[in-house]
Amino acid sequence: GNSVTQMEGPVTLSEEAFLTINCTYTATGYPSLFWYVQYPGEGLQLLLKATKADDKGSNKGFEATYRKETTSFHLEKGSVQVSDSAVYFCACGYSGGGADGLTFGKGTHLIIQP
Amino acid sequence: NAGVTQTPKFQVLKTGQSMTLQCAQDMNHEYMSWYRQDPGMGLRLIHYSVGAGITDQGEVPNGYNVSRSTTEDFPLRLLSAAPSQTSVYFCASSLGSSGANVLTFGAGSRLTVL
Repeated sequence: GNSVTQMEGPVTLSEEAFLTINCTYTATGYPSLFWYVQYPGEGLQLLLKATKADDKGSNKGFEATYRKETTSFHLEKGSVQVSDSAVYFCACGYSGGGADGLTFGKGTHLIIQP
Repeated sequence: NAGVTQTPKFQVLKTGQSMTLQCAQDMNHEYMSWYRQDPGMGLRLIHYSVGAGITDQGEVPNGYNVSRSTTEDFPLRLLSAAPSQTSVYFCASSLGSSGANVLTFGAGSRLTVL
């Protein structure tokens, strides 16, 4: 089956630091790739997505590039803020994979200190 | 625009009791699903539905029942609660059943079984 691997953390950074959260996936074919974010006490919400190789998803200063050759979708941000503290989930899904065709990583807890 | 609404937000049960977690969406989404979130386990799919009258099992369905009598509602029933069902439960919906569609999540229901 498909799988998604990401660092679980917690990852602790100072404000304005550079962020990278690694995500790699194991899947056949050409899945769509997602990053979801979960702020404290809330449900998950989409942060960004990419649907084909070399696509770059971006939102709120975060970016991730779909790398087919390394099966990766690493999340980056140039300068993090305290408000970015949250849990980040990487996920992959298939357009033809059926209703249960979405696989989540275990989530990375990010803590940004002032 | 309410999105996905879950009730209750918090619930404490005794072992053996039954209860229903409610989920409603107002976006006319075909696909609805229930996940549980546990520390170190990420999100695990319990049950899902691709339309009214159609439900199917996910990764961890034991101890839970679902039904989908309308497009809007997708309740999750715990038949006889066990301490292992202590978790945070999320309902999510999307326009289609493909794993490439973006999921909209509810705010979650925190359940404690004593």
